[in-house]
Amino acid sequence: NAGVTQTPKFRILKIGQSMTLQCTQDMNHNYMYWYRQDPGMGLKLIYYSVGAGITDKGEVPNGYNVSRSTTEDFPLRLELAAPSQTSVYFCASRHTGGGGEKLFFGSGTQLSVL
Amino acid sequence: GENVEQHPSTLSVQEGDSAVIKCTYSDSASNYFPWYKQELGKRPQLIIDIRSNVGEKKDQRIAVTLNKTAKHFSLHITETQPEDSAVYFCAATPNYGGATNKLIFGTGTLLAVQP
Repeated sequence: NAGVTQTPKFRILKIGQSMTLQCTQDMNHNYMYWYRQDPGMGLKLIYYSVGAGITDKGEVPNGYNVSRSTTEDFPLRLELAAPSQTSVYFCASRHTGGGGEKLFFGSGTQLSVL
Repeated sequence: GENVEQHPSTLSVQEGDSAVIKCTYSDSASNYFPWYKQELGKRPQLIIDIRSNVGEKKDQRIAVTLNKTAKHFSLHITETQPEDSAVYFCAATPNYGGATNKLIFGTGTLLAVQP
């Protein structure tokens, strides 16, 4: 299994540009998450999904959109990039069952908005 | 919503000493409390977790304690080694109004183990 795969690994955007961060998992997990991690800071939840067709806002959803058309994919869309969105973005999926709720993280996307 | 506070933000210990990181949470209905370790430039990885029906859990050199009354939980690392150097995050799962699926993280603790 590849686990959770994120693309791209690095990206530089100009203010006002848009882009989609891709996330796919091959573990058949229902739950998927997008977090952002600012330098020296913790992980802030942007959006999450409990299954195909179902998404909900996290702590910091403004400026982002998501969709979940399949179990495997959970893309994150930035419509009008702003410098405040410079961050490292982590996608994660969640194992449930057997008493465990471990999050499996992707390797992250480092985004700079200039 | 749920708010998780974590202290200290940085912690430096000598190799072989113990390290303790503390977290508090705001939602008394939260019922799941994991700890994640993030090495420099890597993704976070789960190291230990505890549920609200348990007061303490151990796994070799690491342990987690939970005080539901005070709404705080702690990570204890004994006999620290240089490879324990990393950022550690606590988290809590709030349990209200359909929001049982979120995992809210603390701000992290940078642990440096000096050889």
